[in-house]
Amino acid sequence: AQSVTQLDSHVSVSEGTPVLLRCNYSSSYSPSLFWYVQHPNKGLQLLLKYTSAATLVKGINGFEAEFKKSETSFHLTKPSAHMSDAAEYFCVVSVPYTGKLIFGQGTTLQVKP
Amino acid sequence: ETGVTQSPTHLIKTRGQQVTLRCSSQSGHNTVSWYQQALGQGPQFIFQYYREEENGRGNFPPRFSGLQFPNYSSELNVNALELDDSALYLCASSPRGGGQETQYFGPGTRLLVL
Repeated sequence: AQSVTQLDSHVSVSEGTPVLLRCNYSSSYSPSLFWYVQHPNKGLQLLLKYTSAATLVKGINGFEAEFKKSETSFHLTKPSAHMSDAAEYFCVVSVPYTGKLIFGQGTTLQVKP
Repeated sequence: ETGVTQSPTHLIKTRGQQVTLRCSSQSGHNTVSWYQQALGQGPQFIFQYYREEENGRGNFPPRFSGLQFPNYSSELNVNALELDDSALYLCASSPRGGGQETQYFGPGTRLLVL
């Protein structure tokens, strides 16, 4: 069965410092993994996607994530936080052949000036 | 290219009523998925439609039903509304069915059941 666990419900960083949002996954298959971002009162926007090509995936707005099979992790990073990065971030795994996405509980990123 | 659109943006209903939410998929996409996002939680998969057929369903009761039309737009219908149905309902479209395709989300419909 597929599942994801986001290890932090809330992360606070200062503007200009690195961001690390942690996600562990469980999957019976070679997983497809995603990170989505949700700004207040908005829909979900895709940040990046892993589908077994390269283990280091680059996304939009300077975000990237590294797939580590040995650690079953897919952590999201950004070298330097910007105020506009403050939002809710979801780690997501897809269930093959069903169209179902399984979301983590989300991590709220706060960026302080 | 037009993205995924949903209507209405907000809706207030009373317990026991029925509601219909609408979604227009992104141009070129033939698959639509629906999700329920309760306050403070991640979205939960309701079901997916691919070429007008239900392609997968999450753990939701039969009073949650859907349709997909020949132009690939979709409706979510919820009968006998309960207070716990209050949530943000998100629609997502993708180029084809299955789990590998990226799903692109609309802005959602916020439903309040009183």
